[in-house]
Amino acid sequence: QKEVEQNSGPLSVPEGAIASLNCTYSDRVSQSFFWYRQYSGKSPELIMSIYSNGDKEDGRFTAQLNKASQYVSLLIRDSQPSDSATYLCAVPYSGAGSYQLTFGKGTKLSVIP
Amino acid sequence: GAVVSQHPSRVICKSGTSVKIECRSLDFQATTMFWYRQFPKQSLMLMATSNEGSKATYEQGVEKDKFLINHASLTLSTLTVTSAHPEDSSFYICSARVVQGNTEAFFGQGTRLTVV
Repeated sequence: QKEVEQNSGPLSVPEGAIASLNCTYSDRVSQSFFWYRQYSGKSPELIMSIYSNGDKEDGRFTAQLNKASQYVSLLIRDSQPSDSATYLCAVPYSGAGSYQLTFGKGTKLSVIP
Repeated sequence: GAVVSQHPSRVICKSGTSVKIECRSLDFQATTMFWYRQFPKQSLMLMATSNEGSKATYEQGVEKDKFLINHASLTLSTLTVTSAHPEDSSFYICSARVVQGNTEAFFGQGTRLTVV
């Protein structure tokens, strides 16, 4: 069974701090990893994708991937109250001839003004 | 990113009736679309994988006769909840991949279904 594990939180950080979100996955052959942000009552929005070991930066977001440890993380610098949401880690697995995204349960982030 | 449009965003229906939800890829062709359901404070649960021109593949525990999926074109997939009951009330979300393979998926806006 393919699994994606995340700390459910909630994770509370003060405004301006760095928020660190973690995710582990079970399938060693996975090649793609995605972070989605989901506001309450809304559908997920893709914010980062990462395919290679190391860091990938996009604005205030940095994704970090370590395939040997089967670990992917998301750092949010200078956290803002608008970053308060649930962050979902997603890994595609092959199934029924298509790649299906398996989601973690999500980490709820609260940025305190 | 690619645009996926889902309609309606919110629907209230009476128990025993059927509801159709549409999912469209607006600026790309989607050979595969996915349907998810999300209950309050829970994660997304994949219901089925919809492939254009063929039957959908349902996840274990999802009743294919109750949740009818049609993917008749490369830009449209529909989910029909038949004989809806209050326990079917949930947030239904579709997603689509731009190309085959190991790529990200983009989500529709979701449909909040309430069965009364």
